[in-house]
Amino acid sequence: SQQGEEDPQALSIQEGENATMNCSYKTSINNLQWYRQNSGRGLVHLILIRSNEREKHSGRLRVTLDTSKKSSSLLITASRAADTASYFCATRMTGYALNFGKGTSLLVTP
Amino acid sequence: GAVVSQHPSRVICKSGTSVKIECRSLDFQATTMFWYRQFPKQSLMLMATSNEGSKATYEQGVEKDKFLINHASLTLSTLTVTSAHPEDSSFYICSASTVNLNEKLFFGSGTQLSVL
Repeated sequence: SQQGEEDPQALSIQEGENATMNCSYKTSINNLQWYRQNSGRGLVHLILIRSNEREKHSGRLRVTLDTSKKSSSLLITASRAADTASYFCATRMTGYALNFGKGTSLLVTP
Repeated sequence: GAVVSQHPSRVICKSGTSVKIECRSLDFQATTMFWYRQFPKQSLMLMATSNEGSKATYEQGVEKDKFLINHASLTLSTLTVTSAHPEDSSFYICSASTVNLNEKLFFGSGTQLSVL
């Protein structure tokens, strides 16, 4: 069942600005992952953060995890038009399957 | 990184026909494969989990006789949509995993099914 909830549902920014997306979940997790999906395409894994980690960086991406609040955030710095896509958080529990949130649609305009 | 190949990428069929979608892990052994379904502008919904050599486990509300899943080898899983109807039109995505619980999933590029 779906348990991640992202906000905002849609975000529009200009190139060079930072984009922040938040994700909340309901139950205990082993890890939380962020994925990107371009329209009509498959998913691309961006970053994985384990339940015992609080922050992780990968290039222009920064992910935080607060297990006490059951929330995570994804920050994309210095955004580019090519970052336009939908972003999903997904949590992984002992059942191994990934449960996806509803996603944030990001539009970066030149 | 690991590659998951999914075919076909797009299929259009008449109502009542069956459609088979293949998902292959190209450079690793996928002990578990997951099948997801995505409607336009919505999230991915897990349909079923299949382990090699075992019967698939379906999520609540997913008809196992409608969506046949076969995972006969460690590199191939298939999803067959039987007697497809227009309401089955959707984007279907497979993903593969090894046994490591913390391993990220590798996704196929998806199949857009349109049933006329």
